[in-house]
Amino acid sequence: QVQLVQSGAEVKKPGSSVKVSCKVSGGTFSSHGFNWVRQAPGQGLEWMGGIIPILGSTTYAQKVQGRVTITADESTNTAYMELISLRSEDTAIYYCARGDLRWILDVWGKGTTVTVSS
Amino acid sequence: DIQMTQSPSSLSASVGDRVTITCRASQSIVTFLNWYQQKAGKAPNLLIYETSSLQSGVPSRFSGSGSGTEFTLTISGLQPEDFATYYCQQSYSVPVTFGGGTKVEIK
Repeated sequence: QVQLVQSGAEVKKPGSSVKVSCKVSGGTFSSHGFNWVRQAPGQGLEWMGGIIPILGSTTYAQKVQGRVTITADESTNTAYMELISLRSEDTAIYYCARGDLRWILDVWGKGTTVTVSS
Repeated sequence: DIQMTQSPSSLSASVGDRVTITCRASQSIVTFLNWYQQKAGKAPNLLIYETSSLQSGVPSRFSGSGSGTEFTLTISGLQPEDFATYYCQQSYSVPVTFGGGTKVEIK
C-alpha cells in the first residue's frame, strides 16, 4: 500500500525558509506527480504547486510563485517543497499529495505543521 | 484562475439523512471535478473523481453528478463516520483550485 511519509513539524522565524520532504513508500515514484497543498488554521485547502518527475515539469500557484520550489529526487523516491521568505501567514499544515496528469490527488501524506513566529 | 464555490458552508443532519452539497465553477470545467472528505485533524481523502467515479474503497452511499459549472455530492443515508468537511476541487486547468468546504455536523 502506497504511503507518503512527510518530515516533522517545523518552527521558523519570519524571513527564514523551510524545506519539507515527502517520501514515497510502497509504490512507484516517477510515474506519478506530487503536489503540495496547505491548510492554514481553521481554513480550507490551498494548492501550492506540483511536479511531474517523468516530464521534469513543475507548476506553481501564482500566490506563492517566486517563493516556492518543488523538486523530486527519484533516487530516494522523495519529493520536496521549499518555501522562502516566510511570513506569519505561511503558518499552516503542508500536505504532500500524489497526483497524475489529471491532477486527481489520490494519496495524501499526514501533513507537516509549519509555524512561523518571531 | 477558476473559482470554486461550495454551498452550504455548513449543515446539520441526522444519521440516515440524505445530504446534498453543491459546487459551482466560475467557468465550465466539463466533468473535471473531484470530491474529498476531511475528518478533524486528518489529511483529506479522495472520495469521487471526475464528477461521478467512486474511488476504490469508498462506500456506495456517496455519489456525484453534474457537468459544466454545477456539481453535486450526495450522501444517501448519512452514517456517523460521515461527519466531516467536504471539499470539491477542479482538475480542468492549472492552478488546481478547491472550494471553500462544507462542514457536515450532527444535528
